[in-house]
Amino acid sequence: QKEVEQDPGPLSVPEGAIVSLNCTYSNSAFQYFMWYRQYSRKGPELLMYTYSSGNKEDGRFTAQVDKSSKYISLFIRDSQPSDSATYLCAMKGRTGYSGGGADGLTFGKGTHLIIQP
Amino acid sequence: GAVVSQHPSWVICKSGTSVKIECRSLDFQATTMFWYRQFPKQSLMLMATSNEGSKATYEQGVEKDKFLINHASLTLSTLTVTSAHPEDSSFYICSARDLGWDKGNTIYFGEGSWLTVV
Repeated sequence: QKEVEQDPGPLSVPEGAIVSLNCTYSNSAFQYFMWYRQYSRKGPELLMYTYSSGNKEDGRFTAQVDKSSKYISLFIRDSQPSDSATYLCAMKGRTGYSGGGADGLTFGKGTHLIIQP
Repeated sequence: GAVVSQHPSWVICKSGTSVKIECRSLDFQATTMFWYRQFPKQSLMLMATSNEGSKATYEQGVEKDKFLINHASLTLSTLTVTSAHPEDSSFYICSARDLGWDKGNTIYFGEGSWLTVV
C-alpha cells in the first residue's frame, strides 16, 4: 500500500459545480497537509496548508483534514474553467520525522481536474 | 507566500551540450533546495537535495556526474545537465524551504524549466 493515495482522474465537472478532491494516507506520523495546484507546463503552486485535523477556508477553497480516518479533502466552490489543473496533495511528518522524501514531503500522484465551460 | 524563481523557463539544446538551470529564492534564505524531474502526467520525482556550502545529495538512480548541482549562496542553486541527450528532455522543477521548516513551514516551488534536447 502506498503511503498516499490519490485518484489521478481526470475529473470533469461543469462550471459552477462544487469540486471535491481527496487523498487518503496510511502513515499516522503525518501532521502537516498541503494542496498544490499545477497548471500544465508550470511548477506547483501552494494553495492550502493545514496542520492536524480540521477545516481551513480561503476564498473558494476549503481544505479539510480528518486524521482519524486518514483522509484529506480539498473543496472548490463555484468552480471556474481557470481552476482546470492538476491538484497534488502532499504531507509532512512532525518535527523529527525522518520519513518522506529528502524534501520531507510525501506526494500524491495528483488529480487532473477539468472544468467544462 | 515565498517566491522561488527558476530560469530559464524553457530551453532547447543540441545533443552533447550542457545546460544550466538556475533556482533562486527571492524573499527568503534557503539553506536547502531540491531538484525534481517530472514526466508528462506523472508526479514529481525528487532527484537531489542541494545544500548551501556542501555537496548535493542524490537520490538513488540519479547520476551525479550528469546532473551537477551547485548551491553557492543562500538564495541560488544551479542544476547543470551535462552532455545532454534526448532522453534528458523533461520538465525540471526546483523547490526551496526556509529556516522555518522545522517549525512547520512548507516548501515552495519554482515555475519549472522545460528542457528539450535535439
